[in-house]
Amino acid sequence: DAKTTQPTSMDCAEGRAANLPCNHSTISGNEYVYWYRQIHSQGPQYIIHGLKNNETNEMASLIITEDRKSSTLILPHATLRDTAVYYCIVRVGNTDKLIFGTGTRLQVFP
Amino acid sequence: DGGITQSPKYLFRKEGQNVTLSCEQNLNHDAMYWYRQDPGQGLRLIYYSQIVNDFQKGDIAEGYSVSREKKESFPLTVTSAQKNPTAFYLCASSIDLGWAFSGANVLTFGAGSRLTVL
Repeated sequence: DAKTTQPTSMDCAEGRAANLPCNHSTISGNEYVYWYRQIHSQGPQYIIHGLKNNETNEMASLIITEDRKSSTLILPHATLRDTAVYYCIVRVGNTDKLIFGTGTRLQVFP
Repeated sequence: DGGITQSPKYLFRKEGQNVTLSCEQNLNHDAMYWYRQDPGQGLRLIYYSQIVNDFQKGDIAEGYSVSREKKESFPLTVTSAQKNPTAFYLCASSIDLGWAFSGANVLTFGAGSRLTVL
């Protein structure tokens, strides 16, 4: 059922930008891309979502390619508290179901 | 503050016993969901409900049951038929725009309930 592909893990130095890629080559024209993160043993936290245009909020930026087959979540200045598992997800077919894969484990180091 | 409350946070159960996990939201959201997470794994959808008195099976519904008698509440019962119930259970809710509206569907999650079968 997984419709997105993410690297299993990534490292990032504190203060540097963390760029987390996601492939969603089968995405439909009206499907949003969502990003969540989960800090150990807590509920996932919503970060950002987008359809076609790049998006930015207080937490992150989302860059979506023109063909919409991939996207990148950018944490501009990673901190140790950004260490978490990051999930890139899209909707399943014509439903409201969002299927979470195994995500990318981001480790921010001092 | 609006949010989702799950209880209990930790629960221990003996084999063969049913157990019910509570999920309450005061966000006035129509849709509610239950996910299961095993160590090192992603989330898997158990059940979801888009409206009161209606719910649909997710990908791993066997051994679980739910009810949606009130908009604010979506309890999950883990029955004795669930062979591997030890897991972290997460409840979520969202404004149900429906796929037909092609809107965004942002989920708000609770803090989770960790169930351990002894």
